[in-house]
Parts: sequence; C-alpha cells; structure tokens
Amino acid sequence: NAGVTQTPKFRVLKTGQSMTLLCAQDMNHEYMYWYRQDPGMGLRLIHYSVGEGTTAKGEVPDGYNVSRLKKQNFLLGLESAAPSQTSVYFCASSSRTSGRSVETPYFGPGTRLLVL
Amino acid sequence: GESVGLHLPTLSVQEGDNSIINCAYSNSASDYFIWYKQESGKGPQFIIDIRSNMDKRQGQRVTVLLNKTVKHLSLQIAATQPGDSAVYFCAERSQGAGGTSYGKLTFGQGTILTVHP
Repeated sequence: NAGVTQTPKFRVLKTGQSMTLLCAQDMNHEYMYWYRQDPGMGLRLIHYSVGEGTTAKGEVPDGYNVSRLKKQNFLLGLESAAPSQTSVYFCASSSRTSGRSVETPYFGPGTRLLVL
Repeated sequence: GESVGLHLPTLSVQEGDNSIINCAYSNSASDYFIWYKQESGKGPQFIIDIRSNMDKRQGQRVTVLLNKTVKHLSLQIAATQPGDSAVYFCAERSQGAGGTSYGKLTFGQGTILTVHP
C-alpha cells in the first residue's frame, strides 16, 4: 500500500493564482483531512470529510475549498492564493472502527506551497 | 530575525540515553491521545496512542504515560538512537456530538529531539 500520497510536492504561486492540491489514499478510509503546518503554530485543520460527497469546515477554512468526489481522493483548492497561505499542507485519512471511535489519522508526505 | 521554530522546546541527549518528552494538554474531556514523530521534510508518523481509561501504554522502545489529574502526557524513548532525532508532537482528541469526533485532533507545537552519537 502506498498509504496517503500528495501531489505536487512543492509549488510556487503568485498572489491571485489558483491551484488544486491532490490527495489520494489506498487504505479504504472513510475520513480524510487537510491540515496546514506553520512554524510555531502546530498542525491546524482546514477542512475534513467523513465520507464520499461530504465535506466540512475545520479550524481555518477561509480561502480554501475542498471536494470529495471519490472515497479515495480529497482535493484542496485555493481559488485566489495569498501570501498568508504559504505553508506546508498535509493530507491525512483515518478509518471508523467498530463502535463510535475514529482511529489514528495517517498523514501524507506534505505539499510545500510558497505564495509570492 | 529569529525563526519561530526556535521557540519549540528542545531536548538533546546522547545516544543510548533514555529520553522523556512532555506534553500538557488542554481539554479535560479529551479521551484519546497520540504521539507523532516528524522528521525534516516529512509528514507526521504515528508512534503510539493511549486512551483516557489507561495511564500507561508500552510499545517498542517507547512508553506513553498519561496523568489526567494534571492533564499531562509524556513519551519515553528507551536507548535513544540518532534515528530518533525529529520533532515529536502530542495530539488530543475531544469527543464530539453523539460520541464521535471524526478524528479531529488538537496538536501541540512539538518538541525537537536531537540525539548525539
């Protein structure tokens, strides 16, 4: 299994440009997440999805949109990039076990985004 | 200017020593805790987890201790190796509505562990 994969690994954008970050997982996980990681801030949840066709806002959703058209893919879009969106973006997925708990998220390798 | 990253707590140990990394969590209702390891340029990697109905759990060379009274979590690494050098994060999960939390976690900022040969 490849686990969680992300593309691209690195990207430079100019302010106002748009782009889509791709995330794929081959573990048949129901839940998927997008986090951003900034120095001294820890990981912050942008958006998440509890299943195909559903998405929800996390802690810092402004300026981002997401889509979960297929169970294995979770896309993060930036419609008009801003320098404040310079960050490292991590996708993660997890699975609902029997019962009510959701278990440990598994993270992808990250996408480094620089917005000039 | 000073990198914000330098504000992270740091721990330097000699190879072969035991390491203890501490974490204070914020929510007394949190029911599940995870330790992640993050090497430079990589994503967080799961190390060990513990539920709130436990106070200790052991893995391979690692032990997590949970003290709910003072909301404190610690990760102990035995016989620390240079390959253990990384940033270590703790994460806590709080129960959401209906007893589900969808894996939403609150992460600490991390501790930089440096192991000297």
